[in-house]
Amino acid sequence: GNSVTQMEGPVTLSEEAFLTINCTYTATGYPSLFWYVQYPGEGLQLLLKATKADDKGSNKGFEATYRKETTSFHLEKGSVQVSDSAVYFCALSAAATGGGNKLTFGTGTQLKVEL
Amino acid sequence: DAGVIQSPRHEVTEMGQEVTLRCKPISGHNSLFWYRQTMMRGLELLIYFNNNVPIDDSGMPEDRFSAKMPNASFSTLKIQPSEPRDSAVYFCASSLALGGTYNEQFFGPGTRLTVL
Repeated sequence: GNSVTQMEGPVTLSEEAFLTINCTYTATGYPSLFWYVQYPGEGLQLLLKATKADDKGSNKGFEATYRKETTSFHLEKGSVQVSDSAVYFCALSAAATGGGNKLTFGTGTQLKVEL
Repeated sequence: DAGVIQSPRHEVTEMGQEVTLRCKPISGHNSLFWYRQTMMRGLELLIYFNNNVPIDDSGMPEDRFSAKMPNASFSTLKIQPSEPRDSAVYFCASSLALGGTYNEQFFGPGTRLTVL
């Protein structure tokens, strides 16, 4: 079946540090890949996505490249801010029997950015 | 667009009571998902609907849980009887699925359930 593995947190960084959160996946076919972010007390929000190999998703300074050869979708940001403190979820989507699409989520990585 | 609407936002109940969580998906979306989030188990998909039809309920913990989607604009998740281990944040999400293409899931703010 499909699965997503992401690095365990919490990840604690100083403001303006470089961020990498690793994500690898196992899937049949050609899934789409996503990063969702969850701020304290809120639901998940889509941060970025990539729908095919070598695509790069980007948003708010975050980037991730769909690497089929390494089955990875690592999240990066060059300079983090305190406001980036949140939980980040890597996910993949695959078509589901009966119609629609289903997301498979990783366990989430908590990021804490300190001044 | 109001986004996905969930009610109530917080629910505190006693063990054995019936709990009903409600969700209004984004207008025009045809897929609806119920998730549960806990510290121990992370984010779990409980059930999802496509065009109001339940497609996969394999994530529903046990018979105490049931979900319905009587029309395209409303869904409920019911727990009867509730138990303390059901305490969690329950999220509803919706998306527009067209053929083989995927559109993102939009999450509601969640219902924080506490069963005493």
